[in-house]
Amino acid sequence: GNSVTQMQGQVTLSEEEFLFINCTYSTTGYPTLFWYVQYPGEGPQLLLKVTTANNKGSSRGFEATYDKGTTSFHLQKASVQESDSAVYYCVLGDQGGRALIFGTGTTVSVSP
Amino acid sequence: DMKVTQMPRYLIKRMGENVLLECGQDMSHETMYWYRQDPGLGLQLIYISYDVDSNSEGDIPKGYRVSRKKREHFSLILDSAKTNQTSVYFCASSSGDRQNTLYFGAGTRLSVL
Repeated sequence: GNSVTQMQGQVTLSEEEFLFINCTYSTTGYPTLFWYVQYPGEGPQLLLKVTTANNKGSSRGFEATYDKGTTSFHLQKASVQESDSAVYYCVLGDQGGRALIFGTGTTVSVSP
Repeated sequence: DMKVTQMPRYLIKRMGENVLLECGQDMSHETMYWYRQDPGLGLQLIYISYDVDSNSEGDIPKGYRVSRKKREHFSLILDSAKTNQTSVYFCASSSGDRQNTLYFGAGTRLSVL
């Protein structure tokens, strides 16, 4: 079936450090992949979207790249700030599915 | 303003009581969703509604039912709540195409004692 896996449950960084979160997915066809971010006390919101047409996406200093060969999708940011502390969800959008499929989330904590 | 509003934000109920969670959106989106969020499990889809009176079970529908009588309003009902339904519930809406952006409300934190 369709699924996404985020192995990193928690990432702890200091400001200006490099952030890298990996995700793997399983599906047939050519999915659209998303990263959603959830700040404390809020609902998730779209951070960025990547399609098979471009393989890369960027928003607010974050970059995401997906590799169809390894079915992986990662999110990175060169220099994090305390305000980037949040939960990041890898999300699969799939032609055959009914709705987006969320990973279990990665909690990123950035200390000043 | 694009907004999804959930009421109430916090709710405490006793086991066996009925629970009504309400959600409204001002974007005229056809599709609306109910998810629950639990530590370590991420977001799990409870129900999806494609439009008025057109609802479909998600991945974990047992113990829940929904109602959508107006496009802008989607309710989640727990008949005789159970302690394992303690969770944070999120409503979301989208413009129909699964590839489009989901807009989430701020969530309802439900505790069933």
